[in-house]
Amino acid sequence: AQSVAQPEDQVNVAEGNPLTVKCTYSVSGNPYLFWYVQYPNRGLQFLLKYITGDNLVKGSYGFEAEFNKSQTSFHLKKPSALVSDSALYFCAVRALPDSSYKLIFGSGTRLLVRP
Amino acid sequence: DAGVIQSPRHEVTEMGQEVTLRCKPISGHDYLFWYRQTMMRGLELLIYFNNNVPIDDSGMPEDRFSAKMPNASFSTLKIQPSEPRDSAVYFCASRGQGKNTGELFFGEGSRLTVL
Repeated sequence: AQSVAQPEDQVNVAEGNPLTVKCTYSVSGNPYLFWYVQYPNRGLQFLLKYITGDNLVKGSYGFEAEFNKSQTSFHLKKPSALVSDSALYFCAVRALPDSSYKLIFGSGTRLLVRP
Repeated sequence: DAGVIQSPRHEVTEMGQEVTLRCKPISGHDYLFWYRQTMMRGLELLIYFNNNVPIDDSGMPEDRFSAKMPNASFSTLKIQPSEPRDSAVYFCASRGQGKNTGELFFGEGSRLTVL
């Protein structure tokens, strides 16, 4: 069965420091991987995705993520955090050749960037 | 594009009452998803449609829940009768075909409180 794990409920980082939000996945085929961000009282917003190709994917707001097949990980990173990055972050996976188009979401990681 | 539009944004009702949540997907998108978000269970996929046809409703918790999509621009999620444990934020999301390999566009959500 497909699953996504976000091992940290919360990540705390000082503004200007690099940040990493962790995600590991389990699928039977090749994964499509996604990161979404949710600000308070808002819907989820797409940040970036890995489909194929370069393992380092760049997305919105300066975020990037690195796909590591051997470690089945897709960690979200940013070189220099901003206070405005504070939000809830979700990793999601869709397995191929599954054609159901369902995304399985992780439990979410709250990122808190302190000034 | 106006994005995915959900209504109402907030609903407070009493146990036993019928609740209807509404969603207008992005024009041209042919997949529509209903998710539920709670602190305890995170994001759960309830049901999704393709070309107005329900494809997978295995996430619908009980017979009290029903969803319809009478046309490409409108969907409803109905709970009858509602119970306090149905209190959650309900999200609608849509996606299109082609290069859009799995990216979902979410509405702002409908926060339901059942007293």
